[in-house]
Amino acid sequence: DGGITQSPKYLFRKEGQNVTLSCEQNLNHDAMYWYRQDPGQGLRLIYYSQIVNDFQKGDIAEGYSVSREKKESFPLTVTSAQKNPTAFYLCASSILGNTIYFGEGSWLTVV
Amino acid sequence: GESVGLHLPTLSVQEGDNSIINCAYSNSASDYFIWYKQESGKGPQFIIDIRSNMDKRQGQRVTVLLNKTVKHLSLQIAATQPGDSAVYFCAGSISSGSARQLTFGSGTQLTVLP
Repeated sequence: DGGITQSPKYLFRKEGQNVTLSCEQNLNHDAMYWYRQDPGQGLRLIYYSQIVNDFQKGDIAEGYSVSREKKESFPLTVTSAQKNPTAFYLCASSILGNTIYFGEGSWLTVV
Repeated sequence: GESVGLHLPTLSVQEGDNSIINCAYSNSASDYFIWYKQESGKGPQFIIDIRSNMDKRQGQRVTVLLNKTVKHLSLQIAATQPGDSAVYFCAGSISSGSARQLTFGSGTQLTVLP
C-alpha cells in the first residue's frame, strides 16, 4: 500500500524533553516536507529536503531539527528550544516541482 | 513573499446545491495553485491543481477557476454531498524544478446541511 506514514499519531512531551516524529514514504518521491498546523489555521513550513543528506529551513524552523539519511525517511525532532510545540504536525512528499501529498499527521501535546 | 487567504472562514450549503469557495493571493509570480480538503484530525487531501497558463480546470464534481488579473481563484463543488463537509485550503507557489514551497490560506470550513 503506497503512501506516507507518520508515527506516532499521538505524542505527549514533558517540559525540557526532545521528541522525534517519524515520517516514511514509499512513493519514491525526492522531496519531503514538515508542516505545522495550529487550530483553525493554515499550514506553515518547518523544514524541507530535496535530496538525501540535504535539507533547508522553512518559515518556522527554530526549535526543530531534521535529518535525511535515506530517501524514504525524514524524521522531525521537536527540541526543548521549541517553546510552544503543541500542534498538529504534517509530513508530506512530492516529486520535484510537482504536487505535494500529505500524511495523516501527528498530534503533539506538551504535558 | 506570498500571501494566500480565503474569503470566508465558514460556508454552509444545502445538500445537493453547488458550493463556491474563494481564495485570493498576493504574489503575481505565483503560477501553481492547489486545493486541498482536510477532514477533522486528518492530513490534507489533494483535490485539484491548476497552473497559471490555464483559466479553468475540471475534475470529478469539482472545478477550479483562476483569474490572474485580480489574483483570485475559486473551487466549485457540484451537487454538494454530506461527505464534502471539511475544511478547504488553497495553496500557491512559484514553479521550479525543486521542492515546492507552498503558501497556505487559513481555510474555509464547509458544512453541508441536510
